[in-house]
Amino acid sequence: DIQMTQSPASLSASLGETVTIECRASEDIYSNLAWYQQKPGNSPQLLIFDANTLADGVPSRFSGSGSGTQYSLKINSLQSEDVASYFCQQYNNYPRTFGGGTKLELK
Amino acid sequence: QVQLKESGPGLVQPSQTLSLTCTVSGFSLTSYNVHWVRQPPGKGLEWMGRMRFNGDTSYNSALKSRLSISRDTSKNQVFLKMNSLQTDDTGTYYCARDQLNFDYWGQGVMVTVSS
Repeated sequence: DIQMTQSPASLSASLGETVTIECRASEDIYSNLAWYQQKPGNSPQLLIFDANTLADGVPSRFSGSGSGTQYSLKINSLQSEDVASYFCQQYNNYPRTFGGGTKLELK
Repeated sequence: QVQLKESGPGLVQPSQTLSLTCTVSGFSLTSYNVHWVRQPPGKGLEWMGRMRFNGDTSYNSALKSRLSISRDTSKNQVFLKMNSLQTDDTGTYYCARDQLNFDYWGQGVMVTVSS
């Protein structure tokens, strides 16, 4: 199974700040990576797929990058509505595996 | 529009069998895969298994001996059955549509395993 290691596990940032979340795969996943946002009490929502493509309706302050085994999610100009947990997921192989998640809070 | 909705009992006794239904609308089960994903309270996401558009299934090896996924295309429903439930099976269970990534998710159903 491909292991997805996500960091940090938690993050505290101020409004307007830029934050970056990292995800490392245990083997090359050829950019077959998605990022999901999960707000408290809600189901996950797709943010980014194919490592760097924004899903429909996702604000442009979100961006994804990376290749091979290293990927990142960047949020520019943090807004209050971005408080959530974020998960990466690889879909290169079965079983589909997720990172452990990053809980983003406001400072 | 695309919708998925999970349903099932909120409380299951230890050692019993969990039965959940995912009812979909806005797309065909013969065109898209549907997955089951679960999340223990306050924790991360675990992929459980998949119903492929052609009826094939695949399962998380850690759950394979206890898990079965089936469907009824005439009712637009995908079913999950998992036996021998224990307290660490407590969590929210989601179904999600597969576009390689999971582009649509259900609202989830909270399942508590307790006597």
